[in-house]
Amino acid sequence: EPEVTQTPSHQVTQMGQEVILRCVPISNHLYFYWYRQILGQKVEFLVSFYNNEISEKSEIFDDQFSVERPDGSNFTLKIRSTKLEDSAMYFCASLRGKAYEQYFGPGTRLTVT
Amino acid sequence: AQKVTQAQTEISVVEKEDVTLDCVYETRDTTYYLFWYKQPPSGELVFLIRRNSFDEQNEISGRYSWNFQKSTSSFNFTITASQVVDSAVYFCALSEAGNQFYFGTGTSLTVIP
Repeated sequence: EPEVTQTPSHQVTQMGQEVILRCVPISNHLYFYWYRQILGQKVEFLVSFYNNEISEKSEIFDDQFSVERPDGSNFTLKIRSTKLEDSAMYFCASLRGKAYEQYFGPGTRLTVT
Repeated sequence: AQKVTQAQTEISVVEKEDVTLDCVYETRDTTYYLFWYKQPPSGELVFLIRRNSFDEQNEISGRYSWNFQKSTSSFNFTITASQVVDSAVYFCALSEAGNQFYFGTGTSLTVIP
């Protein structure tokens, strides 16, 4: 069964550093998402991406964040200058079409020290 | 206002007991989708069920069953004869017209052997 993959599974970085989280969505999916889950809290929407552009973003997704689909397969989330409060699990998800469920990747645990 | 409310933060049951996890949602859309995801201690989000707003039939899948009631905006999840492996955090989620997911705060279920 096709699945969404994410790398790395765990990333430790120092405050102020840039990080790039990578996702490979399912190949025939058209919609892509990033979510964040701070430890012990709910899953929060960050951004959705369709047709090579951001379709929706939340208040969390400020200028420090950016997304890209550089090569038609990878879908990346970049945090330019990490803060301690960026420590969380980041989930990528993809969707074939709007009537279907989102498939979530296994997540990347980001720890900012 | 919360779009998805899971009032039960934590539930503990003894193995083989039945348990119902509550989910109440809020939306003005006539077309929407409701989901349940399981998040085991390993952290990934495991899809359990999707239900669209036009299908109010209850569903049973093995020990799992779901009760969707539009009149009360509820989509409750029952586990029959609970097992230790059911211990996890369960999230209810709402998607309006297939856009971003709104997750509830989750219910942490502990099944005691």
